[in-house]
Amino acid sequence: KQEVTQIPAALSVPEGENLVLNCSFTDSAIYNLQWFRQDPGKGLTSLLLIQSSQREQTSGRLNASLDKSSGRSTLYIAASQPGDSATYLCAVNDYKLSFGAGTTVTVRA
Amino acid sequence: EAGVAQSPRYKIIEKRQSVAFWCNPISGHATLYWYQQILGQGPKLLIQFQNNGVVDDSQLPKDRFSAERLKGVDSTLKIQPAKLEDSAVYLCASSFQTGRNYEQYFGPGTRLTVT
Repeated sequence: KQEVTQIPAALSVPEGENLVLNCSFTDSAIYNLQWFRQDPGKGLTSLLLIQSSQREQTSGRLNASLDKSSGRSTLYIAASQPGDSATYLCAVNDYKLSFGAGTTVTVRA
Repeated sequence: EAGVAQSPRYKIIEKRQSVAFWCNPISGHATLYWYQQILGQGPKLLIQFQNNGVVDDSQLPKDRFSAERLKGVDSTLKIQPAKLEDSAVYLCASSFQTGRNYEQYFGPGTRLTVT
């Protein structure tokens, strides 16, 4: 059974600092890995999807890396802004999505 | 393009009562998913439909939960009778087809509180 872990559970940084969010998974036989953002009371918004054959994916200030052999992915958010405050979830797709519990980020103005 | 629609957005019921949630997927999406997200946890798949057939319901508590997608479009998820531990956000998602290459799109969710 796939287990997905996200550390830390919560993170608070001053505006402008770079964010580093970690995700680890136990079974490396995956198709892809996805990072989502969840705002309070809202659904999930997909940020980045990395195929198993890729090493990284970039969108604006967001960069996600994938090391399938070690079962790790990292989401980098450059120059954080208060609007980046949210919960970030990673999900691993082997034959279905398995989610981590998320990292709740607070960016202080 | 309209997103995944869910209603109601919030529901408060007492234990042992019944409740139903509705989901309308993105037009043309054949696959529909229901997830349960308990506070502080990631979403957990309850059931997956391909058109009006069930693909995976291995984590659906079938003694109290039921779901249907009769015409292969919208879907309802029912809980009867509800327990305190059913308090959670119920998320609906859809994708064009089943398979690893098809991205899932999520609705806003229904927050259920069982008292």
